[in-house]
Amino acid sequence: DVKVTQSSRYLVKRTGEKVFLECVQDMDHENMFWYRQDPGLGLRLIYFSYDVKMKEKGDIPEGYSVSREKKERFSLILESASTNQTSMYLCASSFGGVRGAVEAFFGQGTRLTVV
Amino acid sequence: GDSVTQMEGPVTLSEEAFLTINCTYTATGYPSLFWYVQYPGEGLQLLLKATKADDKGSNKGFEATYRKETTSFHLEKGSVQVSDSAVYFCALRGNSGGYQKVTFGIGTKLQVIP
Repeated sequence: DVKVTQSSRYLVKRTGEKVFLECVQDMDHENMFWYRQDPGLGLRLIYFSYDVKMKEKGDIPEGYSVSREKKERFSLILESASTNQTSMYLCASSFGGVRGAVEAFFGQGTRLTVV
Repeated sequence: GDSVTQMEGPVTLSEEAFLTINCTYTATGYPSLFWYVQYPGEGLQLLLKATKADDKGSNKGFEATYRKETTSFHLEKGSVQVSDSAVYFCALRGNSGGYQKVTFGIGTKLQVIP
C-alpha cells in the first residue's frame, strides 16, 4: 500500500514562530502537494513539487515556503506563523507523467492551531 | 485555469435512499476525474476514478461516469448507509504541461440518518 506520512496529527504554535510540517511518501512518486482545508473553502493548493528541488506556487502560496531536498520528502514551512494560518494541512503525492496510477494519495493531515 | 464545481451541502438522506452529488468541471484537454471521500478526522481516500470519456468508475456501490459532452462526473449510489456519512470531493488532474496538478471541488457533506 502507498503510504504518505505527515509528521504530526496536531500542532499548537505561537504567533511569529517558524513552523515546519513534514511529509514523507514511500512510493517513489514524482509529484508532491501541500493543501490546506478550511470549512466552506474546500482544499486549496499551497505549493506543489514535480521533482527534487523543483517547486511551483499553487493558489495560496503567501506566507508559506517549501523544501524538497529528497524525492520522498516534502516540507511546508510557515516562516512566521499567524492566526489566519490555523487550518488542516494535507500532504499528497502522485506519479508524474504517464507512469503508473493517476490518482493522488493523501496523508492523514496535520491540524495546526496558531495562538 | 482548471476548476471543479460541486454543491456544498450538507445533504441529509435517510438510510437506503438514492444519492446523487453533482460535479461539473472546466479543464483543457482530457483530464482524469476522481471522487475522494473524507471520513471524520481522517485524510482523503480515493473512492473512484475515470481517466477518459465515457469511462465509469465504481467502488463500494458508488458510481460515476465521465461525460465529456456535459463536462460532468456525477456521483451516485442506489442505497446509502449510515456508514457513508462523510465529505465527498470531486477532483480533476490536468494533463497539460510537464506535471499534473490536482484541483478539488469544495466538498459535499453527506449525512445519512437511520
